[in-house]
Amino acid sequence: QQQVKQSPQSLIVQKGGISIINCAYENTAFDYFPWYQQFPGKGPALLIAIRPDVSEKKEGRFTISFNKSAKQFSLHIMDSQPGDSATYFCAARGGGATNKLIFGTGTLLAVQP
Amino acid sequence: EAEVAQSPRYKITEKSQAVAFWCDPISGHATLYWYRQILGQGPELLVQFQDESVVDDSQLPKDRFSAERLKGVDSTLKIQPAELGDSAMYLCASSVDLLETQYFGPGTRLLVL
Repeated sequence: QQQVKQSPQSLIVQKGGISIINCAYENTAFDYFPWYQQFPGKGPALLIAIRPDVSEKKEGRFTISFNKSAKQFSLHIMDSQPGDSATYFCAARGGGATNKLIFGTGTLLAVQP
Repeated sequence: EAEVAQSPRYKITEKSQAVAFWCDPISGHATLYWYRQILGQGPELLVQFQDESVVDDSQLPKDRFSAERLKGVDSTLKIQPAELGDSAMYLCASSVDLLETQYFGPGTRLLVL
């Protein structure tokens, strides 16, 4: 119940295309859903985040769509660029007194020029 | 821009040896986290501190792992003795306080031979 399932494992997109990464969860107590971007040899960096009372959040080319009833959320990268090539992790915060993040397994995105 | 600092960046050790990692969080951040990231997977929380107190260490293998944050600032994670299965990236993160955005350091990549 503490898992966050992420798909696809890897994704190849042409420059200018739309990249879509999906995540699903079971625990309805999760109260915060961030996406992190990780480049090789670097730590994850927060990209965008959403709370369950909002169905969509957009920041520049990055959009999170959130479906509370389906317990699913997704990251859309519009006009994908080669510089977006990285590993993307969705996560969910477990709620309660801690700030524990449960991470998905990651999606390796390659944007071809 | 303030960053989380970690050292060393890389560590190679033999099994049964002791190894230690150091983390200096962003100045003023009360909450500090240690995560382990196995290759191809998302980070998994090992231990979380609020100031100098442990808030969550439920996933820390306490027979061989220890963590401390004596003055509520920097922190050390120790493994003794190291095992082959401990080979992973060890990430430190910090946040201003509980329930705030977590900022990750570059990590320490550990290889146990």
